Amino acid sequence: NAGVTQTPKFQVLKTGQSMTLQCAQDMNHNSMYWYRQDPGMGLRLIYYSASEGTTDKGEVPNGYNVSRLNKREFSLRLESAAPSQTSVYFCASSKNRERNYGYTFGSGTRLTVV
Amino acid sequence: DAKTTQPNSMESNEEEPVHLPCNHSTISGTDYIHWYRQLPSQGPEYVIHGLTSNVNNRMASLAIAEDRKSSTLILHRATLRDAAVYYCILRNRDDKIIFGKGTRLHILP
Repeated sequence: NAGVTQTPKFQVLKTGQSMTLQCAQDMNHNSMYWYRQDPGMGLRLIYYSASEGTTDKGEVPNGYNVSRLNKREFSLRLESAAPSQTSVYFCASSKNRERNYGYTFGSGTRLTVV
Repeated sequence: DAKTTQPNSMESNEEEPVHLPCNHSTISGTDYIHWYRQLPSQGPEYVIHGLTSNVNNRMASLAIAEDRKSSTLILHRATLRDAAVYYCILRNRDDKIIFGKGTRLHILP
């Protein structure tokens, strides 16, 4: 099925370890996004990429870096994981940045930092 | 970003219509109104969006007030599968959308 694929689905890290969350979409979308969701909370935007070759900070970018590898792939890197980064991470894509298009979300990566 | 206000939670009986309200009194003329829902342990799912006119699709209907300061998502016949958190979001000229806390919808069998 076409959509947004996130890997891994689950991950446990020790404080200070690094890892990269992968996201790929096969809908030929131009824009991609990373959100985090903490228990009982709404989603908060970490970073986004309006188009290939561009990235911008969202609401909560500290402690994260991103790479828009190509049009399909947008990765999120934690250089030195902290317990405060324990969360569920969602990747999303949209045809473009226009207001009349919706987002397609992946199924999430559940990250625990101990 | 213009903000939206939604009730924290709502209940409805199965097989009855559900009307989920959203207030957005500071909406600008170019803001689109988007609705998403998030089922338990899943990512958000696009439901519907509109600008000025009421909209229908296979999932729901969106009724937009004439002054655009409020909107209502209508689920015509709720099922247990519709139990989710529903987010009303305004999408403006910025590329990104910001989620609020949404309305948790409980469906009673």
